[in-house]
Amino acid sequence: GENVEQHPSTLSVQEGDSAVIKCTYSDSASNYFPWYKQELGKGPQLIIDIRSNVGEKKDQRIAVTLNKTAKHFSLHITETQPEDSAVYFCAATANNNDMRFGAGTRLTVKP
Amino acid sequence: DAGITQSPRHKVTETGTPVTLRCHQTENHRYMYWYRQDPGHGLRLIHYSYGVKDTDKGEVSDGYSVSRSKTEDFLLTLESATSSQTSVYFCAINRDPNTGELFFGEGSRLTVL
Repeated sequence: GENVEQHPSTLSVQEGDSAVIKCTYSDSASNYFPWYKQELGKGPQLIIDIRSNVGEKKDQRIAVTLNKTAKHFSLHITETQPEDSAVYFCAATANNNDMRFGAGTRLTVKP
Repeated sequence: DAGITQSPRHKVTETGTPVTLRCHQTENHRYMYWYRQDPGHGLRLIHYSYGVKDTDKGEVSDGYSVSRSKTEDFLLTLESATSSQTSVYFCAINRDPNTGELFFGEGSRLTVL
């Protein structure tokens, strides 16, 4: 089955700086790559996703890039704010009923 | 929250006792999922359902069973809880199977002593 690896496990940045989280996947059939943000005590929330037919997608301060050849995708957050502090998960799936998640990245944005 | 309610939100139980977690949705979606979340493992799929009485196993299904007798309710049962099943359990729905987007509940924290 699919195996998703996520790095780094923790990331600390200064407010206003950029943050980058990277994920690799193993199944070349995977075609949907979402990113979730989880705040303390809450369930994960979808923040952005990308499909295999595009290489980049942007939504205001967040963007995701996908390199299908290398089987990796990344989340980019620019102009970070304290409210961006959370745990972020990447995921990948070829079949919507078997989504595999990375282990998560705890992002801390220092004011 | 996508109209998902999980209950109980917190439970402490003893090894060997049965436990049932409930997921209730108000939006009539066909696909529902149970995940567990553990440090260092992200979220792992336990079971999912694609309709009333239609369920299938996920990545970590051993020791768990599920039932779906109504569209709105998806139950996760631990027949005989073990300490390794201490975890946070999340229910999710797929609002649009064409996109694969999952919407999660708030979670149920289970501690097995």
